[in-house]
Amino acid sequence: KQEVTQIPAALSVPEGENLVLNCSFTDSAIYNLQWFRQDPGKGLTSLLLIQSSQREQTSGRLNASLDKSSGRSTLYIAASQPGDSATYLCAVNPGNTPLVFGKGTRLSVIA
Amino acid sequence: KAGVTQTPRYLIKTRGQQVTLSCSPISGHRSVSWYQQTPGQGLQFLFEYFSETQRNKGNFPGRFSGRQFSNSRSEMNVSTLELGDSALYLCASSLGGHPDTQYFGPGTRLTVL
Repeated sequence: KQEVTQIPAALSVPEGENLVLNCSFTDSAIYNLQWFRQDPGKGLTSLLLIQSSQREQTSGRLNASLDKSSGRSTLYIAASQPGDSATYLCAVNPGNTPLVFGKGTRLSVIA
Repeated sequence: KAGVTQTPRYLIKTRGQQVTLSCSPISGHRSVSWYQQTPGQGLQFLFEYFSETQRNKGNFPGRFSGRQFSNSRSEMNVSTLELGDSALYLCASSLGGHPDTQYFGPGTRLTVL
């Protein structure tokens, strides 16, 4: 059974700092991996999607990497801003079954 | 292209009542999946509908049910509400192939008193 773990559960950083969020999964047989952002009480906003054949994806200040063999993904946020404060969720797509989500990392960027 | 829409956005019910939530997928998408999000359990899969048929089901009691219409719109129903059903219910749509990429709606916040 696929399990997704995100560490740390919460993170607080000063504005301007670069940071890394971690996601690990137990079964490397995945189709893709997706990073989402969720603001309090809101739905999910897709940030980056990495196909299983890819090593990384970039969008603006965000960079996500994928190492399937070790069951790990990281989300790198450069020059963090207070507007980046949110919960970041990692989800694995096993292909024939629904998305499996981690419990998220709650990020606070302090001005 | 319009995104996934969910109605209502907020609901307050009392224990024992039933509730129906609605999800309209992105135009052209034939698959709709439902997820429940709670602080303790995180995001958990409820069920998936494709072409009006339930294609996949999570580990939830029979009080949770759903259906899909010919226009791909989907509804989920929860009967005999319990306090623990308070959650954010998220709907995601996709083209329906396996594998596939899902797009999420804003969610319906259900509070059971």
